[in-house]
Amino acid sequence: NAGVTQTPKFQVLKTGQSMTLQCAQDMNHNSMYWYRQDPGMGLRLIYYSASEGTTDKGEVPNGYNVSRLNKREFSLRLESAAPSQTSVYFCASSEDGTTTFGFSYEQYFGPGTRLTVT
Amino acid sequence: RKEVEQDPGPFNVPEGATVAFNCTYSNSASQSFFWYRQDCRKEPKLLMSVYSSGNEDGRFTAQLNRASQYISLLIRDSKLSDSATYLCVVKDGANNLFFGTGTRLTVIP
Repeated sequence: NAGVTQTPKFQVLKTGQSMTLQCAQDMNHNSMYWYRQDPGMGLRLIYYSASEGTTDKGEVPNGYNVSRLNKREFSLRLESAAPSQTSVYFCASSEDGTTTFGFSYEQYFGPGTRLTVT
Repeated sequence: RKEVEQDPGPFNVPEGATVAFNCTYSNSASQSFFWYRQDCRKEPKLLMSVYSSGNEDGRFTAQLNRASQYISLLIRDSKLSDSATYLCVVKDGANNLFFGTGTRLTVIP
């Protein structure tokens, strides 16, 4: 049981190049998320997917697109990378609904992708 | 104003010390509260959920004060392995999670 996996771990792009970050989970979760983490900003939600075939914008979606290919996989695409997209990108997944105590189920995060755009 | 605010630290404490972190949130309609732990260059992992009545898990105690919109985490008898960044996380009524910037803790031998 690998949990949430992400590829690549590191990437350097030149301004204007495109790339796709891959994410997969083997926990049979419906919900999947993409975040970026920047110093002094905390994690910010880029896009999320509540189920296969659906995606919704988060707090900072500009410059990104996503695809929920199937229940397991949720990819993030940068069509034309910019230096402002230099960041650490985390994919996460979670179960739906709430626990007995009314809490959301925890989000499980992948190991992250460190992206530098020059 | 940020949704979730934390003192970034760093907090440098000796082994065995007790240390407390605080967090405030701006949305009074927030429904669920959590503390996540993030080790250096690693992904965040859930440490504990925060119940309205407060809750304890071993050396860790979490408290929620809804009236003041304030969450705390107390770590007793600090261990070297507690060195990490602690993220305060708040969920609103629309299922959105908001992360604080984190409080960095270093436990010194």
